[in-house]
Amino acid sequence: GENVEQHPSTLSVQEGDSAVIKCTYSDSASNYFPWYKQELGKRPQLIIDIRSNVGEKKDQRIAVTLNKTAKHFSLHITETQPEDSAVYFCAAIQGGSEKLVFGKGTKLTVNP
Amino acid sequence: GAGVSQSPRYKVAKRGQDVALRCDPISGHVSLFWYQQALGQGPEFLTYFQNEAQLDKSGLPSDRFFAERPEGSVSTLKIQRTQQEDSAVYLCASSLETPPVTQYFGPGTRLLVL
Repeated sequence: GENVEQHPSTLSVQEGDSAVIKCTYSDSASNYFPWYKQELGKRPQLIIDIRSNVGEKKDQRIAVTLNKTAKHFSLHITETQPEDSAVYFCAAIQGGSEKLVFGKGTKLTVNP
Repeated sequence: GAGVSQSPRYKVAKRGQDVALRCDPISGHVSLFWYQQALGQGPEFLTYFQNEAQLDKSGLPSDRFFAERPEGSVSTLKIQRTQQEDSAVYLCASSLETPPVTQYFGPGTRLLVL
């Protein structure tokens, strides 16, 4: 089945800096890659997603890149703000199935 | 509009008790998913419904776990004879169509088994 690895597990940046979180996946048939933000005690919220027919997608300060050949995808947050502090999860939908397989998460702390 | 809702939000059970967790998906959403999230981990897939049909239950950890969605809307996850290792947050998600499309999560039910 699908396996998703996520790095780093923790990331601390200064306000205004950029943050990058990287994920790799194992199933070459995976075709959908969402990123979720989860604040403590809250539900995971989708912040951006990308499909395998696209290499990059941007939404204001957030961007995701996908390299199908290398089977990795990354989340880029520019001009970070304290309210960006949360745990971020990458996920991949397992090829031929409906299930999302999640990474272990990255705890992002943005210091004012 | 209303998002995915779950009840109860918190549940404390004694080991051996049965529990039932409820999920109300977004109205009109065809697909419904249950995930289990242990402390400090990412959600892990349990089971998936398309309307009332349970199409994948490969993630259910044991036969003590049972899920249903009899009318293709509300779903219930039942855990029989709870054990301490069942302590986790149980998340429900729904999507408008069949995957791969955006899954919207509920707030979860935090289950603590003593």
